[in-house]
Amino acid sequence: RKEVEQDPGPFNVPEGATVAFNCTYSNSASQSFFWYRQDCRKEPKLLMSVYSSGNEDGRFTAQLNRASQYISLLIRDSKLSDSATYLCVVNRGGTGGFKTIFGAGTRLFVKA
Amino acid sequence: EPEVTQTPSHQVTQMGQEVILRCVPISNHLYFYWYRQILGQKVEFLVSFYNNEISEKSEIFDDQFSVERPDGSNFTLKIRSTKLEDSAMYFCASSPDKLGNTIYFGEGSWLTVV
Repeated sequence: RKEVEQDPGPFNVPEGATVAFNCTYSNSASQSFFWYRQDCRKEPKLLMSVYSSGNEDGRFTAQLNRASQYISLLIRDSKLSDSATYLCVVNRGGTGGFKTIFGAGTRLFVKA
Repeated sequence: EPEVTQTPSHQVTQMGQEVILRCVPISNHLYFYWYRQILGQKVEFLVSFYNNEISEKSEIFDDQFSVERPDGSNFTLKIRSTKLEDSAMYFCASSPDKLGNTIYFGEGSWLTVV
């Protein structure tokens, strides 16, 4: 079983749609949680951290459920520029520091 | 906006050769990382580095790999005796915080081993 699993996608949606991304993690020692965005052949960029209380940044809402080891990202009113791969990322403690574990990503295509 | 810079952007090397990938982290950051992404696959953690020491490494980071901070600004990844399967995008990253809550990635160095 993969340590971080995401919907395989791709998601194809029209502009203005609401899109939900799901992610589960298997290691209960995971400490912090993030959504990153990666454009084709580019570096990952932090979209937002994810907290149990839920957090919102404009059109983006992230939620963490530690009990079910589930992370979500909701994009409202999607724009063409939201087209990218969305990466679920978990930091897990290691022997001396932490390891960053990436999901395989879910590709989003927003069409006019 | 400060950024992590990486050189070279693309390198082609023959199997068995040594490669050094260079990175300049953001100047006030103390925590440095290398990741790799094989084409079409997920990003994979290689190593983290703090205070001139490796703080964590993955199973991928074997004796073939080493990291160094040779001076106050550069952070390097050395791959000895490259193999075909080392072909990947290598991302350097840095963070101001110990827990990696804000990690900034460089644009990557694309390594092709032939």
